[in-house]
Amino acid sequence: DTEVTQTPKHLVMGMTNKKSLKCEQHMGHRAMYWYKQKAKKPPELMFVYSYEKLSINESVPSRFSPECPNSSLLNLHLHALQPEDSALYLCASSSYGGAGETQYFGPGTRLLVL
Amino acid sequence: SQELEQSPQSLIVQEGKNLTINCTSSKTLYGLYWYKQKYGEGLIFLMMLQKGGEEKSHEKITAKLDEKKQQSSLHITASQPSHAGIYLCGADLPLNAGKSTFGDGTTLTVKP
Repeated sequence: DTEVTQTPKHLVMGMTNKKSLKCEQHMGHRAMYWYKQKAKKPPELMFVYSYEKLSINESVPSRFSPECPNSSLLNLHLHALQPEDSALYLCASSSYGGAGETQYFGPGTRLLVL
Repeated sequence: SQELEQSPQSLIVQEGKNLTINCTSSKTLYGLYWYKQKYGEGLIFLMMLQKGGEEKSHEKITAKLDEKKQQSSLHITASQPSHAGIYLCGADLPLNAGKSTFGDGTTLTVKP
């Protein structure tokens, strides 16, 4: 099973809302990632968790709050977002989070902030 | 500046034609990955190259990594409409272990 699942597929939220994105994998991977992708641009790394600990935070605004409750699950909590945060949010996982590892991506959550 | 340069930015080919997409880095790479993405969807892993001079093939797609591990090419033979999409190269750069960076992508259109 090389599948990474993400829910929801689409999300529309107002600037005062609180919502969460969910990502799950059952490949036994110990590294999980959040990427943000704007239209016609490549994915940009936001966060990396390795062994359930946050190892990389690419200076992401605090209105994005990641959480890794266990090795299979990764959440991204959203609060007080701005319209410019509208994008495709991609989750990925890999074996350990080291160099040269293949990352397996989920289908993404398309977020629209009104 | 962009750490991975991809070319061309877009490509339109007639079905059945061969094509090549290139990805270049100014630094030696730990590994070079090729992904395909349909607009608004997730990235589908195609191939990973790690050794200098390595070449891998899957169905009609062949990827090569040069000896210096700074340039890769993706070649599609006898293109089909199902090959259409955005092709992205990705890599881990030195001192950035685990922090994959991506090229800007190449949008491929295959005309039937």
